Amino acid sequence: GDSVTQMEGPVTLSEEAFLTINCTYTATGYPSLFWYVQYPGEGLQLLLKATKADDKGSNKGFEATYRKETTSFHLEKGSVQVSDSAVYFCALTLLNDYKLSFGAGTTVTVRA
Amino acid sequence: DAEITQSPRHKITETGRQVTLACHQTWNHNNMFWYRQDLGHGLRLIHYSYGVQDTNKGEVSDGYSVSRSNTEDLPLTLESAASSQTSVYFCASNRGGLDSPLHFGNGTRLTVT
Repeated sequence: GDSVTQMEGPVTLSEEAFLTINCTYTATGYPSLFWYVQYPGEGLQLLLKATKADDKGSNKGFEATYRKETTSFHLEKGSVQVSDSAVYFCALTLLNDYKLSFGAGTTVTVRA
Repeated sequence: DAEITQSPRHKITETGRQVTLACHQTWNHNNMFWYRQDLGHGLRLIHYSYGVQDTNKGEVSDGYSVSRSNTEDLPLTLESAASSQTSVYFCASNRGGLDSPLHFGNGTRLTVT
Protein backbone atom coordinates (compact mmCIF):
# COMPACT_ATOMS: atom_id res chain seq x y z
CA GLY A 1 0.00 0.00 0.00
CA ASP A 2 0.88 3.65 -0.12
CA SER A 3 3.19 4.69 2.68
CA VAL A 4 5.68 7.23 3.92
CA THR A 5 8.96 6.57 5.71
CA GLN A 6 10.72 9.36 7.51
CA MET A 7 13.94 9.46 9.47
CA GLU A 8 13.71 8.52 13.10
CA GLY A 9 14.40 11.04 15.78
CA PRO A 10 14.77 12.60 18.07
CA VAL A 11 16.91 15.27 16.48
CA THR A 12 18.62 17.84 18.72
CA LEU A 13 20.22 20.92 17.20
CA SER A 14 21.70 24.21 18.28
CA GLU A 15 20.11 27.46 17.19
CA GLU A 16 21.12 28.55 13.67
CA ALA A 17 22.08 25.00 12.68
CA PHE A 18 20.95 23.40 9.40
CA LEU A 19 18.06 20.96 9.63
CA THR A 20 17.26 18.09 7.28
CA ILE A 21 14.55 15.50 7.85
CA ASN A 22 14.47 12.73 5.28
CA CYS A 23 11.19 11.45 3.86
CA THR A 24 10.66 8.81 1.19
CA TYR A 25 7.40 7.43 -0.12
CA THR A 26 5.88 4.41 -1.80
CA ALA A 27 2.80 4.96 -3.92
CA THR A 28 1.06 3.25 -6.80
CA GLY A 29 0.05 6.53 -8.44
CA TYR A 30 1.26 10.11 -8.34
CA PRO A 31 0.81 11.41 -4.81
CA SER A 32 0.65 14.87 -3.41
CA LEU A 33 3.18 15.32 -0.62
CA PHE A 34 2.93 17.32 2.58
CA TRP A 35 4.85 18.28 5.67
CA TYR A 36 2.84 18.92 8.82
CA VAL A 37 4.14 20.31 12.12
CA GLN A 38 2.82 19.64 15.61
CA TYR A 39 3.69 21.99 18.46
CA PRO A 40 3.34 20.71 22.05
CA GLY A 41 -0.27 20.21 23.12
CA GLU A 42 -1.69 21.10 19.71
CA GLY A 43 -3.02 19.42 16.61
CA LEU A 44 -1.09 19.23 13.37
CA GLN A 45 -0.76 22.20 11.04
CA LEU A 46 0.16 22.20 7.40
CA LEU A 47 3.71 23.44 6.92
CA LEU A 48 4.12 23.03 3.15
CA LYS A 49 3.02 20.92 0.23
CA ALA A 50 3.88 19.89 -3.33
CA THR A 51 1.45 18.34 -5.77
CA LYS A 52 3.68 17.26 -8.67
CA ALA A 53 7.22 16.24 -9.48
CA ASP A 54 9.91 18.95 -9.16
CA ASP A 55 7.55 21.25 -7.24
CA LYS A 56 9.14 22.98 -4.29
CA GLY A 57 7.02 23.77 -1.26
CA SER A 58 8.18 26.47 1.13
CA ASN A 59 6.96 28.20 4.26
CA LYS A 60 8.51 29.86 7.34
CA GLY A 61 12.03 29.23 5.99
CA PHE A 62 11.37 25.51 5.44
CA GLU A 63 11.64 23.95 1.99
CA ALA A 64 11.02 20.55 0.42
CA THR A 65 11.29 19.45 -3.21
CA TYR A 66 9.18 16.66 -4.71
CA ARG A 67 11.71 14.25 -6.27
CA LYS A 68 9.99 11.59 -8.32
CA GLU A 69 13.24 9.87 -9.37
CA THR A 70 14.23 9.22 -5.76
CA THR A 71 10.64 9.14 -4.38
CA SER A 72 11.66 11.65 -1.76
CA PHE A 73 10.42 14.86 -0.14
CA HIS A 74 13.12 15.88 2.33
CA LEU A 75 12.46 18.84 4.62
CA GLU A 76 15.21 21.46 5.07
CA LYS A 77 15.75 24.69 6.93
CA GLY A 78 18.94 26.66 6.78
CA SER A 79 18.95 28.22 10.24
CA VAL A 80 16.65 26.84 12.92
CA GLN A 81 15.30 28.71 15.93
CA VAL A 82 14.17 27.51 19.33
CA SER A 83 10.59 28.09 18.17
CA ASP A 84 11.05 25.38 15.52
CA SER A 85 11.08 22.73 18.23
CA ALA A 86 8.18 20.45 17.31
CA VAL A 87 7.24 17.11 15.80
CA TYR A 88 7.35 17.03 11.98
CA PHE A 89 5.27 14.63 9.90
CA CYS A 90 5.63 13.75 6.25
CA ALA A 91 2.39 12.70 4.54
CA LEU A 92 0.96 11.79 1.16
CA THR A 93 -2.37 11.58 -0.56
CA LEU A 94 -3.34 10.29 -3.97
CA LEU A 95 -5.44 11.94 -6.65
CA ASN A 96 -9.15 11.66 -5.80
CA ASP A 97 -8.35 10.10 -2.42
CA TYR A 98 -8.73 12.71 0.27
CA LYS A 99 -7.27 10.81 3.19
CA LEU A 100 -3.64 11.27 4.15
CA SER A 101 -1.09 8.64 5.11
CA PHE A 102 1.45 9.89 7.64
CA GLY A 103 4.98 8.96 8.55
CA ALA A 104 5.92 8.18 12.15
CA GLY A 105 6.98 11.74 12.91
CA THR A 106 10.36 13.22 13.81
CA THR A 107 10.81 15.12 17.06
CA VAL A 108 13.09 18.12 16.68
CA THR A 109 14.50 20.01 19.66
CA VAL A 110 16.44 23.23 19.10
CA ARG A 111 18.62 24.45 21.97
CA ALA A 112 19.54 28.08 22.49
CA ASP B 1 -13.25 32.03 12.34
CA ALA B 2 -13.96 28.49 11.28
CA GLU B 3 -12.55 25.80 13.53
CA ILE B 4 -12.63 22.16 14.49
CA THR B 5 -13.33 21.34 18.13
CA GLN B 6 -12.80 18.11 19.99
CA SER B 7 -14.21 17.21 23.37
CA PRO B 8 -13.30 16.25 25.94
CA ARG B 9 -9.60 17.20 25.92
CA HIS B 10 -8.84 14.49 28.46
CA LYS B 11 -10.77 11.36 29.39
CA ILE B 12 -10.07 8.49 31.76
CA THR B 13 -12.30 5.45 31.49
CA GLU B 14 -12.34 1.83 32.57
CA THR B 15 -11.88 -1.25 30.45
CA GLY B 16 -15.16 -2.42 28.93
CA ARG B 17 -16.97 0.91 29.04
CA GLN B 18 -18.39 2.60 25.98
CA VAL B 19 -16.80 5.96 25.25
CA THR B 20 -17.72 8.61 22.68
CA LEU B 21 -15.35 11.34 21.56
CA ALA B 22 -16.90 14.38 19.94
CA CYS B 23 -15.69 16.27 16.88
CA HIS B 24 -17.39 19.38 15.54
CA GLN B 25 -16.22 21.49 12.60
CA THR B 26 -17.51 24.81 11.32
CA TRP B 27 -15.55 24.75 8.05
CA ASN B 28 -18.51 23.16 6.23
CA HIS B 29 -16.13 20.48 4.98
CA ASN B 30 -17.51 17.30 3.48
CA ASN B 31 -14.53 15.19 4.51
CA MET B 32 -13.84 14.27 8.13
CA PHE B 33 -11.28 11.89 9.60
CA TRP B 34 -10.32 10.30 12.89
CA TYR B 35 -6.67 9.45 13.60
CA ARG B 36 -4.92 8.06 16.62
CA GLN B 37 -1.38 9.10 17.53
CA ASP B 38 0.96 6.69 19.25
CA LEU B 39 4.69 6.96 19.82
CA GLY B 40 6.58 5.26 17.03
CA HIS B 41 3.50 4.91 14.83
CA GLY B 42 2.76 8.47 13.88
CA LEU B 43 -0.88 9.01 12.97
CA ARG B 44 -3.00 6.06 11.93
CA LEU B 45 -6.39 6.42 10.30
CA ILE B 46 -9.32 4.95 12.22
CA HIS B 47 -12.43 5.97 10.26
CA TYR B 48 -13.35 8.63 7.76
CA SER B 49 -16.38 10.14 6.07
CA TYR B 50 -16.79 11.91 2.74
CA GLY B 51 -20.26 13.24 3.48
CA VAL B 52 -23.48 12.81 5.43
CA GLN B 53 -24.40 9.15 5.88
CA ASP B 54 -21.03 8.08 4.46
CA THR B 55 -18.52 6.26 6.69
CA ASN B 56 -15.45 4.18 5.85
CA LYS B 57 -12.96 2.07 7.77
CA GLY B 58 -9.36 3.07 8.04
CA GLU B 59 -6.32 0.94 8.81
CA VAL B 60 -7.05 0.54 12.55
CA SER B 61 -10.85 0.50 12.74
CA ASP B 62 -11.39 -2.57 14.95
CA GLY B 63 -13.20 -1.63 18.16
CA TYR B 64 -14.28 1.80 16.86
CA SER B 65 -17.34 3.13 15.07
CA VAL B 66 -18.49 6.47 13.66
CA SER B 67 -21.71 7.94 12.36
CA ARG B 68 -22.30 11.02 10.19
CA SER B 69 -25.77 12.46 10.55
CA ASN B 70 -24.84 16.04 9.59
CA THR B 71 -21.97 17.91 7.97
CA GLU B 72 -20.53 19.34 11.18
CA ASP B 73 -20.11 16.30 13.44
CA LEU B 74 -18.31 12.96 13.34
CA PRO B 75 -18.40 11.33 16.80
CA LEU B 76 -16.05 8.41 17.44
CA THR B 77 -17.32 5.60 19.65
CA LEU B 78 -15.26 2.96 21.38
CA GLU B 79 -17.75 0.15 21.85
CA SER B 80 -15.90 -1.56 24.72
CA ALA B 81 -12.76 0.29 25.68
CA ALA B 82 -9.51 -1.67 25.90
CA SER B 83 -6.13 -0.66 27.31
CA SER B 84 -4.70 -0.86 23.78
CA GLN B 85 -6.93 2.08 22.91
CA THR B 86 -5.11 4.40 25.27
CA SER B 87 -3.90 7.05 22.88
CA VAL B 88 -4.28 10.61 21.66
CA TYR B 89 -7.12 10.96 19.16
CA PHE B 90 -7.25 13.64 16.49
CA CYS B 91 -10.16 14.67 14.37
CA ALA B 92 -9.49 16.43 11.06
CA SER B 93 -11.43 17.76 8.11
CA ASN B 94 -10.82 19.07 4.61
CA ARG B 95 -12.68 20.29 1.60
CA GLY B 96 -11.15 17.78 -0.77
CA GLY B 97 -8.81 18.21 -3.71
CA LEU B 98 -5.05 18.10 -4.04
CA ASP B 99 -4.54 21.56 -2.59
CA SER B 100 -6.90 21.16 0.34
CA PRO B 101 -5.01 20.79 3.60
CA LEU B 102 -6.29 18.91 6.61
CA HIS B 103 -7.46 21.05 9.53
CA PHE B 104 -6.90 19.33 12.85
CA GLY B 105 -8.51 19.62 16.25
CA ASN B 106 -6.33 19.85 19.34
CA GLY B 107 -6.83 16.22 20.24
CA THR B 108 -8.37 14.10 22.99
CA ARG B 109 -6.07 12.21 25.32
CA LEU B 110 -7.84 8.99 26.30
CA THR B 111 -6.61 6.71 29.06
CA VAL B 112 -8.20 3.30 29.53
CA THR B 113 -7.46 1.77 32.94
